Amino acid sequence: AQSVSQHNHHVILSEAASLELGCNYSYGGTVNLFWYVQYPGQHLQLLLKYFSGDPLVKGIKGFEAEFIKSKFSFNLRKPSVQWSDTAEYFCAVNAGGGATNKLIFGTGTLLAVQP
Amino acid sequence: DTGVSQNPRHKITKRGQNVTFRCDPISEHNRLYWYRQTLGQGPEFLTYFQNEAQLEKSRLLSDRFSAERPKGSFSTLEIQRTEQGDSAMYLCASSSLTSGGLNTGELFFGEGSRLTVL
Repeated sequence: AQSVSQHNHHVILSEAASLELGCNYSYGGTVNLFWYVQYPGQHLQLLLKYFSGDPLVKGIKGFEAEFIKSKFSFNLRKPSVQWSDTAEYFCAVNAGGGATNKLIFGTGTLLAVQP
Repeated sequence: DTGVSQNPRHKITKRGQNVTFRCDPISEHNRLYWYRQTLGQGPEFLTYFQNEAQLEKSRLLSDRFSAERPKGSFSTLEIQRTEQGDSAMYLCASSSLTSGGLNTGELFFGEGSRLTVL
């Protein structure tokens, strides 16, 4: 069965620090990969996604992620975080080429940015 | 607001009672999904519809759970004889195909319905 692992459950950073959140998935075939973000009191929203092509994808608010197929990883990065980035971040995978949009989510990483 | 709408936002019930949640997807979306999220976990897939057809159900969806989307628009999720283990946030999401029939891959989530079973 497909699964997604997020190794950092809780991350605390100061403003302007760099961010990297790990995400690994288990599935040997074609995958679509996503990062969703949930700001306090708000619904889940898409941060960025990878379908094919350039493995370095850029999303909203200065976030980017790199798909490394050999490592089954899709880590999220941001060079300089802001207090407003405080949120919970979820990595998700859609196995099988996206036929159903059925996403498998990781357990999430809670990011707290201190001003 | 033209996003995904869920109600009620909060429901507190006693064990053994039935509860029903409603989801109104984005109007032009033909796919609708239900997820469940518990504290410290990511959303877990429950079931999804394409138009009015329920195409997949997770093993998490026991016989006490039933979901419908009778006219291919709004959907309901009913939980019968609730148990304390049913306490969770129930999330609804919708999506659509592009005009070319390609899957956009993006799910649009509602704010969820939080269930507390006493």
